[in-house]
Amino acid sequence: DAKTTQPNSMESNEEEPVHLPCNHSTISGTDYIHWYRQLPSQGPEYVIHGLTSNVNNRMASLAIAEDRKSSTLILHRATLRDAAVYYCILSRGGINQGGKLIFGQGTELSVKP
Amino acid sequence: SQTIHQWPATLVQPVGSPLSLECTVEGTSNPNLYWYRQAAGRGLQLLFYSVGIGQISSEVPQNLSASRPQDRQFILSSKKLLLSDSGFYLCAWSVLPDRQHFGDGTRLSIL
Repeated sequence: DAKTTQPNSMESNEEEPVHLPCNHSTISGTDYIHWYRQLPSQGPEYVIHGLTSNVNNRMASLAIAEDRKSSTLILHRATLRDAAVYYCILSRGGINQGGKLIFGQGTELSVKP
Repeated sequence: SQTIHQWPATLVQPVGSPLSLECTVEGTSNPNLYWYRQAAGRGLQLLFYSVGIGQISSEVPQNLSASRPQDRQFILSSKKLLLSDSGFYLCAWSVLPDRQHFGDGTRLSIL
């Protein structure tokens, strides 16, 4: 399974944009890029996912490099509720793979008021 | 709408005792189902996944087993718990290639 590399922790100020980087240099053509976040003592929550093109939803934006070897999760205006561990995950498509998510250590985002 | 139920929320068990954790999903059919474990610190480890009734794939050799007796029911079991089985257990479902939806988890402590 292809792996991802993320910074261990990041800090942000409330109301400012946050760019969370992820490197995945061994990504294959059928790997989707997923982002999840996890608050303490809760299950992970889906944030966004994409394959090749940049994606936007109500929570965040996902910017994918042209060579797909890196991506960036963008929170446009950080709030205190965005403080969580953010996981960047590659999921290999195809029914035989079961859509498995292989979690790494993630980036712990802290948001200062 | 779809919901996922996991119980119990917390569990304290002695070493050597059996375990049964249950997960049920409502509002969807033929989902993929997953069991994860999160030890102290970060990172979830995928334990089992299932693409259909009776179909279980194990990701890591361990003291645990999983079963899927019904389409939307996923059970995690052990005959004899070890201290190393302590952790936060999470169940999830998905309909490919969409996102996975996680339950609230069971915090298992082994004494």
